[in-house]
Amino acid sequence: GQNIDQPTEMTATEGAIVQINCTYQTSGFNGLFWYQQHAGEAPTFLSYNVLDGLEEKGRFSSFLSRSKGYSYLLLKELQMKDSASYLCAVGSNDYKLSFGAGTTVTVRA
Amino acid sequence: DVKVTQSSRYLVKRTGEKVFLECVQDMDHENMFWYRQDPGLGLRLIYFSYDVKMKEKGDIPEGYSVSREKKERFSLILESASTNQTSMYLCASSLAGTGEQETQYFGPGTRLLVL
Repeated sequence: GQNIDQPTEMTATEGAIVQINCTYQTSGFNGLFWYQQHAGEAPTFLSYNVLDGLEEKGRFSSFLSRSKGYSYLLLKELQMKDSASYLCAVGSNDYKLSFGAGTTVTVRA
Repeated sequence: DVKVTQSSRYLVKRTGEKVFLECVQDMDHENMFWYRQDPGLGLRLIYFSYDVKMKEKGDIPEGYSVSREKKERFSLILESASTNQTSMYLCASSLAGTGEQETQYFGPGTRLLVL
């Protein structure tokens, strides 16, 4: 089975940086995904990591350490529209993804 | 762009009714999934399908069934709706590959209220 943990809530100020951590314990591992979900909407794909290290995509970066079972999503130059829930998910070679409960990020002016 | 559509955004049903939730994807994806999402519990997999007429139970299949008669369409059925099935239902699809090909694309969700 999979056990995926991430903080429930985080608050930050517009223009700041926020780091959302995700730890996982899995019976198989085939990559780690991050999704963004605005209130009342569908989750949308943000990033995928399968190798250790940092992947950067504009204001968003994602890091993975497979040996530590750890990932983080880094949001830079926060904007009000970044207020959303961020979901960490682990793939395990059986087509399925296991999702964490999500971290709700609130950006304040 | 991948497009996943769901038949209804909001649905109100009575206890004991049979409920059909429809999902259609237009990207020729092999895999399709049904989740429910509840506050504090995240996304929980109900059923998934990796091919036409194939289905596999997820983590919480009790009280649900599914149907996949065509590749692009995956239906979730609540045989006799109960109040504890009030939830947001999300459909997703993905390719059959591994790694980044496992990226799932989600529909807009159906918010179901069972009275």
